[in-house]
Amino acid sequence: EAGVAQSPRYKIIEKRQSVAFWCNPISGHATLYWYQQILGQGPKLLIQFQNNGVVDDSQLPKDRFSAERLKGVDSTLKIQPAKLEDSAVYLCASSRDRGQYEQYFGPGTRLTVT
Amino acid sequence: GQQVMQIPQYQHVQEGEDFTTYCNSSTTLSNIQWYKQRPGGHPVFLIQLVKSGEVKKQKRLTFQFGEAKKNSSLHITATQTTDVGTYFCAGPSSGGTSYGKLTFGQGTILTVHP
Repeated sequence: EAGVAQSPRYKIIEKRQSVAFWCNPISGHATLYWYQQILGQGPKLLIQFQNNGVVDDSQLPKDRFSAERLKGVDSTLKIQPAKLEDSAVYLCASSRDRGQYEQYFGPGTRLTVT
Repeated sequence: GQQVMQIPQYQHVQEGEDFTTYCNSSTTLSNIQWYKQRPGGHPVFLIQLVKSGEVKKQKRLTFQFGEAKKNSSLHITATQTTDVGTYFCAGPSSGGTSYGKLTFGQGTILTVHP
C-alpha cells in the first residue's frame, strides 16, 4: 500500500511571496488533514477535510492560507502572502474515516521564509 | 481550549536504561494515540488506547491509559539506539463537528547514548 505523498519536500521563498503544497492521501482514505509543525512543537491542525468538504478549519489563518480537496482525493494548501513565522514543516495526513482512526502522515514539506 | 501536556520535554539515557514519558490532558479523553517521529522524519502511529486503565504492550514498549482517562504514559524498557526520536501523545479535540481532530502534545525528545 502506497503511503501519503507530498511535494515539494523543501521550499525556500521570500516573505510576501506565495507557495503551494500538494498532497495525495492513501487510496480510499476519506479524511485528509493538513498540519503545521514548528520546530520543537507537536503538529498543529490547520484544516480537516471529509471527502471534498471542510470539517474543521478553525485554526487556519484564512487571511493568507487556503486549501482545497477537489474530487475528494488530492489536496493543495496555499499560502499567500507568506510571513517569516510561516517557516515550518507542513504535514499532510490521512485516515480511513473520521473518528478514532490512526492517522498516516506524509514526509512533509519544509518551508523556509526569508 | 483543550490542552495536552507532556513531560519531560527532553530525556537523555544510556543505552539499556529505561525511559518513561507522561501525557496529561485538561479534559477527559475518549481515547489517546501515541506517535513516534524520528529525527528528520514524520510522525508514525504507534498505538491507540480506549478503555479506562488499559495497558498495552509492544515488545519493549508499554502504554497505559489512566483510570480517569485524562493521562497516559509510555514506558520503554532497556532502550536501544533505534528508540531515538520524539514521542507524541494525541487526544481527540472536543467539539461535535471536529470528530477525528487530534490535539498533539509538544512531545518528549529521547536521546540514547550508546
